[in-house]
Amino acid sequence: SQQGEEDPQALSIQEGENATMNCSYKTSINNLQWYRQNSGRGLVHLILIRSNEREKHSGRLRVTLDTSKKSSSLLITASRAADTASYFCATRNAGNNRKLIWGLGTSLAVNP
Amino acid sequence: DGGITQSPKYLFRKEGQNVTLSCEQNLNHDAMYWYRQDPGQGLRLIYYSQIVNDFQKGDIAEGYSVSREKKESFPLTVTSAQKNPTAFYLCASTSGEGQPQHFGDGTRLSIL
Repeated sequence: SQQGEEDPQALSIQEGENATMNCSYKTSINNLQWYRQNSGRGLVHLILIRSNEREKHSGRLRVTLDTSKKSSSLLITASRAADTASYFCATRNAGNNRKLIWGLGTSLAVNP
Repeated sequence: DGGITQSPKYLFRKEGQNVTLSCEQNLNHDAMYWYRQDPGQGLRLIYYSQIVNDFQKGDIAEGYSVSREKKESFPLTVTSAQKNPTAFYLCASTSGEGQPQHFGDGTRLSIL
């Protein structure tokens, strides 16, 4: 069953601009994870943020989590053409740690 | 290098035929997962296994079967009962509950 919903579904920006993607979910979570998928490839884990954390950074990536609004955002700063990919959020629900619940993804195109 | 290897990369199935997708990991992970990805959709869980000789159905298990005889291996069989098998299949593993998942590069299955 799908829980996460990414917004927007597709995003097209110029190199050097920032890209922001949002994820909303419905139930209490243990953690929220962001993954990246290049066309025709497997997913690669980017960042995991726990329910008691509000913000996390990794290089040019910044993730925020607002548990009161049941939402998260992924910000990619100073985007590059190589950032072109699909980005997925996945939640690990409180009380059920065995499965991840996946969103439908945001397709990001960074134009040179 | 540690990782997950899926084979083959492309697979074609004839009417009434069972086909088996291979997934091998050398990450020493206990938990392994099989997902199906259709265009425009997120990942849907087919089966998962927390430990050798044990596995559970996911959200869309009908028409699929798995085995987990070795820690390193989690093959997925797409049976003839699966009437719409055309999709991208992804295998993943994780070191424990709440931890990020590591993915293989997928197998694309098509009908002949």
